[in-house]
Formats: sequence, C-alpha cells, structure tokens
Amino acid sequence: ETGVTQSPTHLIKTRGQQVTLRCSSQSGHNTVSWYQQALGQGPQFIFQYYREEENGRGNFPPRFSGLQFPNYSSELNVNALELDDSALYLCASSLSGRAVNEQFFGPGTRLTVL
Amino acid sequence: DQQVKQNSPSLSVQEGRISILNCDYTNSMFDYFLWYKKYPAEGPTFLISISSIKDKNEDGRFTVFLNKSAKHLSLHIVPSQPGDSAVYFCAATPINNNDMRFGAGTRLTVKP
Repeated sequence: ETGVTQSPTHLIKTRGQQVTLRCSSQSGHNTVSWYQQALGQGPQFIFQYYREEENGRGNFPPRFSGLQFPNYSSELNVNALELDDSALYLCASSLSGRAVNEQFFGPGTRLTVL
Repeated sequence: DQQVKQNSPSLSVQEGRISILNCDYTNSMFDYFLWYKKYPAEGPTFLISISSIKDKNEDGRFTVFLNKSAKHLSLHIVPSQPGDSAVYFCAATPINNNDMRFGAGTRLTVKP
C-alpha cells in the first residue's frame, strides 16, 4: 500500500504565471482535499474532490481550480500567480468525503512565487 | 478569520513529564475536532479526534479533552517522549462539512 505522494517537491514561478501541482492518493481512497499552508500558519482548506466532483470549497478565488481523475489522483491549478500564493501546498486523501474519516497527507509541494 | 486558535507557538517539556497543548475555537457549528502531528519535511499525520458528544477521548499516551461551554480543547501526552517533538495542529469541522479549519500549530520539544 503506497501513501500519498505529491509532485513536484519544490517549484519556483514568477508572478502572473500558472502552475499545476499533482497528488496521488493512497490506494483505495476516493477523496482528495487540497490545503495551502503559509509560513507560520496552519493548513487552509482550498477544496475537496470526491469521485471526480468538487465536494466543498474554502475561501479561495476561482483562479484556484482542480481536477480529479478516474484513478482518484488529483491536480491543483493556480492561474495568475501572486506573491501571496507562496506556500506549502498539501493534499490529503481519505475514504469518502466525510470529515470524520481520517485524512492522510502527502509531504507537500513548496511553491515560491517571485 | 481565525476560528481555531493555538495561542502557544511553542512548548518545551522534560522527557517523562506531561505535555499539555491547548486549542480554542470560536465557531459553535464545529462538532468534530482533531489533532495532527507534523514532522519536518512530512505531511501532518492524524493523532486523535473527538466528537462534540464526548468530553474525553483516550488513545494510549494521548488524551484529548473537550470543554464545549468554553470552546476549548486540549491534548495531553503522558509520558512525553523525545520522539513526540513535532508541530501539533488542532483542527475543527462541522461533521457534515469538508471545510476543516486548522490552528497555527504548537511546536513541542521534549528534552531528554
């Protein structure tokens, strides 16, 4: 059984560019949630995908978008990058979309926007 | 809006003693609470949870206490071990919602 993996590990972009981050969920999990963790803060919920449909969204603008594929892996896309988008992006997989189910986090992608 | 607050950025305790990590919340709609532990270069890992119908949940050395009237929860680790040194996040969510709110974390250092 493989855990949650994320790619790339680190990424440097410039303001205005677009970025795609990837997440492979733990085997058997059909739900992926994405979080943004700014320096010195806790993770902030971006959105969740359950069986390829968005299943809840936090307070993030539409330039943050996502996809979930039939194998339940997921992408986070951020358009028109801003300096404040610099953060650690975490994905977490779980079995079903319910908060009571344990989420397994990946190690994160560190995004730096210059 | 910070609906979940961990007011102590850091805590240092001696090995074998009790570690008490605190968390306060403001949203009365929260009815499920979790603690996560995070080591450097790793994602957070689930530690223990409690629903609002309980006031205590225990798992080995870890106990979470919930005081709904005070909107306060705490994590007790007894006895503390050097391997417990990590950042601990408190999280809360309504049970039928996916928008989990995290505190800013408390860095626990357990000294041998």
